[in-house]
Parts: sequence; C-alpha cells; structure tokens
Amino acid sequence: DAGITQSPRYKITETGRQVTLMCHQTWSHSYMFWYRQDLGHGLRLIYYSAAADITDKGEVPDGYVVSRSKTENFPLTLESATRSQTSVYFCASSELSGDTQYFGPGTRLTVL
Amino acid sequence: GEDVEQSLFLSVREGDSSVINCTYTDSSSTYLYWYKQEPGAGLQLLTYIFSNMDMKQDQRLTVLLNKKDKHLSLRIADTQTGDSAIYFCAETFQSGNTPLVFGKGTRLSVIA
Repeated sequence: DAGITQSPRYKITETGRQVTLMCHQTWSHSYMFWYRQDLGHGLRLIYYSAAADITDKGEVPDGYVVSRSKTENFPLTLESATRSQTSVYFCASSELSGDTQYFGPGTRLTVL
Repeated sequence: GEDVEQSLFLSVREGDSSVINCTYTDSSSTYLYWYKQEPGAGLQLLTYIFSNMDMKQDQRLTVLLNKKDKHLSLRIADTQTGDSAIYFCAETFQSGNTPLVFGKGTRLSVIA
C-alpha cells in the first residue's frame, strides 16, 4: 500500500526494556521525522533525517536513537524505556524539510 | 526562537462558524499550514497559505494571514460534528532546511 505506515500501532513494555518503533514510507521522500504527542505539549520533534545515513536531533532527543540505512525506513529505538516515554509517537515524511509533511497513524506506547 | 501559539480549546454549535487563531514569531516564514487530527489518527494537511497571500478560500475553509501582526486564522463555515478534531497550525521558513514548527493544537468541539 502506498503511503506511510507505522508498526506496531500499540505497544506495552516495561521500564528498562528496549523498544523499536518502525516507520515505512513508499513515496521516496527525502525527509522523515519522529514526533511524540503528549497532553499539554502538542507535538514535539524527537529526531529527523534529511536522507539515508543523515540524522539530526530535534527538540527532545534524549533517550532515543534513530537510524536511516534505507530511504524508506526510519526506525526509532528507545534503548532503555522509561515511564516518561509513555506517549503517542508519530512518524512523518516530506520531500523537503519545510515542505508539507505526511503523517503516519501513530504508535501508542505505554511503559509500565 | 521559533514559536507558534494557539488557544487550546474551542467549542461551537453545529451550523455556526468556527475561528481558530494562531500567532507565530518568525517573520521570514514562507508557508503556514493547518493540519487536522481526528481522534486516534495522525495529522492530515487541511490547507496552507503562502506568506505573500492575505487570504485563501477552499470550500468551507478560509485562511486569513496578517503578516504585520504575525497572526493566522482558520475559519470553518457551517461547522459540522465531523469537524470535531484538533487543529494544528505550523510554520516553515525561507531556508527550507528547518523542520516545520507546530503549535500545541486547538481542540474544536462541535455541539449538536
């Protein structure tokens, strides 16, 4: 299917575990983004990537790791999950950095 | 720094007009966007306006831009219950190398 997909859609994990959230887009967009959405904070940028093997920190990168070995995939890893990382995570892609962004459906992550 | 401000809540009656306001700080913004987020979903682009325009109309949607006051508004005519959602404004910059900056979102509730 064309578009941008995220998996899993829902995830429950425990403090200290490693979790990887997947993001896949079929448009060959250069830019990809990870956001977290929390009540009272709106959308906050975690990391973004301008192209394969190029990543950059956003507003709240601590505790997260990203990679971009292929243009179409942009996984987000929580190396040691904490309760404060309970959130809804959105992946997005765009042709240019400041261009229209297309969002995935989100992953709801709960850290117990 | 870049900052986008929105009121958090708006409640209107079905059939009335809704006006969602946004203020931004960077006068070099080139595009300003409105995104809609329905419950349990990702953000979807609703409309956008280029910074050299004052107004853009698209069916029930009217976007007004006051560059002097750095104020952007989204008017929804004949608001329907299906318009209930969170609306985000976002700005981008002339360089095109900076990710979009999002406001915290305005939750629109439509009362039947």
